Amino acid sequence: GDSVTQTEGQVTVSESKSLIINCTYSTTSIAYPNLFWYVRYPGEGLQLLLKVITAGQKGSSRGFEATYNKETTSFHLQKASVQESDSAVYYCALGGMPNYNVLYFGSGTKLTVEP
Amino acid sequence: GPKVLQIPSHQIIDMGQMVTLNCDPVSNHLYFYWYKQILGQQMEFLVNFYNGKVMEKSKLFKDQFSVERPDGSYFTLKIQPTALEDSAVYFCASSLDGANTGQLYFGEGSKLTVL
Repeated sequence: GDSVTQTEGQVTVSESKSLIINCTYSTTSIAYPNLFWYVRYPGEGLQLLLKVITAGQKGSSRGFEATYNKETTSFHLQKASVQESDSAVYYCALGGMPNYNVLYFGSGTKLTVEP
Repeated sequence: GPKVLQIPSHQIIDMGQMVTLNCDPVSNHLYFYWYKQILGQQMEFLVNFYNGKVMEKSKLFKDQFSVERPDGSYFTLKIQPTALEDSAVYFCASSLDGANTGQLYFGEGSKLTVL
């Protein structure tokens, strides 16, 4: 079946430093899935950060970027300069065949940005 | 932004009892979802619901589980009877266009503890 792997459970970065959160996916479908990053800020529900539905394309939002790499089956999340307000839990997700209306989530990466 | 509300935020019950978790989705949304997250594990898809019917369900959606949305009110997840392994945080989500093309809006979760 389809699955998403996030290898880091927790990441700590100093403010203004760069960030990368790793995500790889696996699918048994011959078609390419849609890929998403969701984020949960403290005290809030999970919300969409960005999505990319075409392999090779890059998505961006709030200074974050992720590139859909079908060769390495990766969708890493990056930011050039993090802020304290970016502290949250980030989830990579895959949506696609055969269940068009189901998202499969990674285990999440908790980001702590230190002042 | 749009909010999904979940009631209760936390419930403790004895094994074998019935529990109903309530979700107040975004008002004009058409697709509804329940996800389950056991502490330290991934958030896993349980079921999705559209036009008054279950569209898809996972292996985690046991016979003891049921969902409904009577008269456009709360979208509910009922577990009867509960088992120890049902202890988890249950997340409700809603979407206007569906998970794969649209955006899911999540509640903050209902933490269920079965003793």
